[in-house]
Amino acid sequence: EVQLVQSGAEVKKPGESLKISCKGSGYSFTSYWIGWVRQMPGKGLEWMGIINPGDSDTRYSPSFQGQVTISADRSTTTAYLQWSSLKASDTAMYYCARSGDSSGAFDYWGQGSLVTVSS
Amino acid sequence: EIVMTQSPATLSVSPGERATLSCRASQSVSTNLAWYQQKPGQAPRLLIYGASTRATGIPARFSGSGSGTEFTLTISSLQSEDFAVYYCQQYNNWPPMYTFGQGTKLEIK
Repeated sequence: EVQLVQSGAEVKKPGESLKISCKGSGYSFTSYWIGWVRQMPGKGLEWMGIINPGDSDTRYSPSFQGQVTISADRSTTTAYLQWSSLKASDTAMYYCARSGDSSGAFDYWGQGSLVTVSS
Repeated sequence: EIVMTQSPATLSVSPGERATLSCRASQSVSTNLAWYQQKPGQAPRLLIYGASTRATGIPARFSGSGSGTEFTLTISSLQSEDFAVYYCQQYNNWPPMYTFGQGTKLEIK
């Protein structure tokens, strides 16, 4: 069974750093791209970026380029999303998702990681 | 950057009736178009990819159509569990780039 299991909720202060995770299992981790999607409170879905765990090729949405860093560890089949200096506007639910077998659509999703940034 | 525009923002339909949701791309995306359903407190679920192919386990009452810049998701006979927010998404296979529409909320009339 394909699963993406994300790390738990985080409460941080502005200016702090953070790295959240997404562990894949039940499939060949290096064969599928993993994307990250932001959902701010009460708002829609925004694509942030995507990584190929096989070779670490990473692409970012222009809106998120330079704001976050996406990485992956093949040895632990885990993808990461990190911030070096959080802002209150980073408060959101973050989802990881696998790019599908037959297309680029996201066929499996993690359960989401809620990040709250507040002083 | 490709912009995806969904209409309407909110659609009120009675159970058992048909719902038609629209999605327009600012430039051609061929059939690289997916639809997702999201219920409150849940992650999105893939319904349709390739504009018209149902994902695994998706009931036949969900159908997608269109190509180029105009796309439609049709739910033929609404069930109570179908009331949710629906998003379209374009995906460019190479280089991988994605854009979501702003969503359509399907509510009970």
